Amino acid sequence: QKEVEQNSGPLSVPEGAIASLNCTYSDRGSQSFFWYRQYSGKSPELIMFIYSNGDKEDGRFTAQLNKASQYVSLLIRDSQPSDSATYLCAVNKGGSQGNLIFGKGTKLSVKP
Amino acid sequence: EAGVAQSPRYKIIEKRQSVAFWCNPISGHATLYWYQQILGQGPKLLIQFQNNGVVDDSQLPKDRFSAERLKGVDSTLKIQPAKLEDSAVYLCASSLDLTAAGLPQYFGPGTRLTVL
Repeated sequence: QKEVEQNSGPLSVPEGAIASLNCTYSDRGSQSFFWYRQYSGKSPELIMFIYSNGDKEDGRFTAQLNKASQYVSLLIRDSQPSDSATYLCAVNKGGSQGNLIFGKGTKLSVKP
Repeated sequence: EAGVAQSPRYKIIEKRQSVAFWCNPISGHATLYWYQQILGQGPKLLIQFQNNGVVDDSQLPKDRFSAERLKGVDSTLKIQPAKLEDSAVYLCASSLDLTAAGLPQYFGPGTRLTVL
């Protein structure tokens, strides 16, 4: 089983819709969960992080965490063409000091 | 606040040559990471420093890769000799400090290495 799994996509949504990106992880000792956005040819940019079960909102972005199901998601409301990018889910390695395990990313395409 | 700085941005070398990458983290960040990102994959951790000490280098191919952070600020990653499979983007990231839970990491622009 892969440590951090994401659907590679592409996920295509129309402008103004809600984009839902999902991630599952295998390490029950993981304590922190991060979403990064990566435009083609650019480096990852931190969007959200979440430590506790439930929802965390920041502007148009909501991160959702369910540790029992080992599942974390990112919702993007009112999607814009500028949100088109690859979204990387990263999970800290249990027992480590901050080491992150990244998924392969989900490519999101927002159509005007 | 200035972000993570890296140089060079691009490098093309032939196999068996050596190459070095430089990184300067966000001011005040004690923890520095080097990642390798192959096209279509997520970043993979190579080495993690806390100040000038190595915390984790378990995934660093030590027969050809080396890294140092002598004064606890900037860092250098070296590959010698390079192989074709080392073609990737090398990313440097930093975080404020070390915690068991993990703090947000901020990435530099990366160095795109092509080995011919």
